[in-house]
Amino acid sequence: EIVLTQSPGTLSLSPGDRATLSCRASQSVTSRYLAWYRQNPGQAPRLLIYGASNRATGIPDRFSGSGSGTDFTLTISRLEPEDFAVYFCQQYGSSPSFGPGTKVDIK
Amino acid sequence: EVQLVQSGAEVKKPGESLRISCQGSGYSFTSYWISWVRQMPGKGLEWMGRIDPSDSSADYSPSFEGLVTISADKSINTAFLHWSSLKASDTAMYYCAREFATSSGAGWFDPWGQGTLVTVSS
Repeated sequence: EIVLTQSPGTLSLSPGDRATLSCRASQSVTSRYLAWYRQNPGQAPRLLIYGASNRATGIPDRFSGSGSGTDFTLTISRLEPEDFAVYFCQQYGSSPSFGPGTKVDIK
Repeated sequence: EVQLVQSGAEVKKPGESLRISCQGSGYSFTSYWISWVRQMPGKGLEWMGRIDPSDSSADYSPSFEGLVTISADKSINTAFLHWSSLKASDTAMYYCAREFATSSGAGWFDPWGQGTLVTVSS
């Protein structure tokens, strides 16, 4: 089973700031099979990125993903109000698993 | 519009059975797997298992094998998650999600249902 860890646990930033979120895997993730989701309070998760760097349909270009092997990054170039939420990474190189999440809150 | 619509919130007692549902629309229901994901209060996401609606074959996370049953009825574009005997520890939000299969045998999830809150309390 691939275990994912995310850092930091909480990121306190202001609207317009740049956010950099990290996801690390306990072993190499096959073929960059990694996705990112945003979960706003009281809502279901929403897919942002799949295949480590491909934006999902309708996702604005302020979101970008990078990485390979065991280290992956989600970058939000300029935080909008709806981006203050919890972000989860998920690997699908083997049986799916999720990271514990990073909360982005308002500074 | 592709969407998954889940059944409403449930309040049950320990030992009772329960089946919740997830109906897909706006796409070919039999062309994608449906997965179920648990989110306990204030916690992260846990993959429970999936079903291929085309042939109703299901597979489960080891953590949930034997504790729940996943099924589907392709005639009504609906997947189900069933418990035969609920425990208080089953209290959680349950999401269904369409899974995009890859060569690894797993995939990413898009879209997600709105979630079904299950509360188990005596």
